Amino acid sequence: LAKTTQPISMDSYEGQEVNITCSHNNIATNDYITWYQQFPSQGPRFIIQGYKTKVTNEVASLFIPADRKSSTLSLPRVSLSDTAVYYCLVGDRGPGNKLTFGGGTRVLVKP
Amino acid sequence: GAVVSQHPSWVICKSGTSVKIECRSLDFQATTMFWYRQFPKQSLMLMATSNEGSKATYEQGVEKDKFLINHASLTLSTLTVTSAHPEDSSFYICSAAERGLNEQFFGPGTRLTVL
Repeated sequence: LAKTTQPISMDSYEGQEVNITCSHNNIATNDYITWYQQFPSQGPRFIIQGYKTKVTNEVASLFIPADRKSSTLSLPRVSLSDTAVYYCLVGDRGPGNKLTFGGGTRVLVKP
Repeated sequence: GAVVSQHPSWVICKSGTSVKIECRSLDFQATTMFWYRQFPKQSLMLMATSNEGSKATYEQGVEKDKFLINHASLTLSTLTVTSAHPEDSSFYICSAAERGLNEQFFGPGTRLTVL
């Protein structure tokens, strides 16, 4: 499983865009990049998943360069409720595939 | 989206007792379920993977005789912490995956405190 490296923490203010970059230098050809959000004392929640280029959904965008050795999660116009830990995971898709969580990025949104 | 529940949401027990945590997929059939443990301010650590009707596969360093996992049906998996000790106090989270889909759905977690 490819190892991921993310910043430990990040501060932002309400209304700003937050970009979290994850490094995954040894990503394999079959690997996808998935981001999860976790609030204190709750289970992780799926945010977005992608393989290459750009993926956008109603809550976030995921930018993946051509070499796929990194990816950036972009949260537009964050609010206080976006304060959470964000995890970047890399691995082959499939319901039976294990997920390996790295350290995550603790995002604090200030008023 | 798919919903996974856990019961109980929190439990306090005395050292030496056993505690059972249930994980249920409410609106889909979970062919695979995973159990994680999370200590304060740390990331999730995978404990074991269980497939319906099969024995669980434990990660290195996880004692299978201490953490008993049963995945008896496509909607229920249980984790039993046997002879619990204070160092077993943690946040236990399950996730479930359905055959044919690529996403794992996580439960809300169970806070275990062993006195």
